[in-house]
Amino acid sequence: QVQLLQSGAEVKKPGASVKVSCKTSGYPFSKFGLSWVRQAPGQGLEWMGWISGYNGKSTSSQKIQGRVTLTTDTSTNTAYMELRSLTSDDTAVYYCARWNIVINTGDFWGQGTLVIVSS
Amino acid sequence: QSALSQPASVSGSPGQSITISCTGSSSDVGAYNLVSWYQQFPGQAPKVIIYEGSKRPSGVSDRFSGSKSGNTASLTISGLQAEDEADYYCCSFAGSNTWVFGGGTQLTV
Repeated sequence: QVQLLQSGAEVKKPGASVKVSCKTSGYPFSKFGLSWVRQAPGQGLEWMGWISGYNGKSTSSQKIQGRVTLTTDTSTNTAYMELRSLTSDDTAVYYCARWNIVINTGDFWGQGTLVIVSS
Repeated sequence: QSALSQPASVSGSPGQSITISCTGSSSDVGAYNLVSWYQQFPGQAPKVIIYEGSKRPSGVSDRFSGSKSGNTASLTISGLQAEDEADYYCCSFAGSNTWVFGGGTQLTV
């Protein structure tokens, strides 16, 4: 069965970086992309970026472009999201989701990773 | 890449039907028939209930339906049940492998 298992919660200081992992299983990694979506406390979903599981090409939202790096490791079927220059506004639950390009939707989601940015 | 516009909240009684709107622009909702709708319960990850505007994934109740007119997509839930009480989000393809979510709608039954 398709599973996306994310790394554990993180607490970071303002200005620091965080790297969240998303280990996938149960499907051919190269056949699907992955999106990263975050949700600040009590707020809505925000699409952050997408990465191809086939060739590692990625896109990101204009809001965080320049602060985020999306990567994949095809040897372990794992995706990573690194966010730099953290501020308190980056405090959120970060989700990875298998993004089915054929139907343009996130059909399987990770459990979420809470990132708290606090001094 | 502005967020799509959804009503903050809607409510309905059991058995009734409700519709949640999702307004975008000619660059996203209006340009593509690629709107998805997600249902999210507190503390859980979102779950897709509608994709490509009106299609339901296997296992999703046919009480959920989607449609689009111009720059506005809509989610209709018929025969409301208490278990439908959740947050609902629309999401549209916006070109060049980018997507945009709506602000979310809290449904109270």
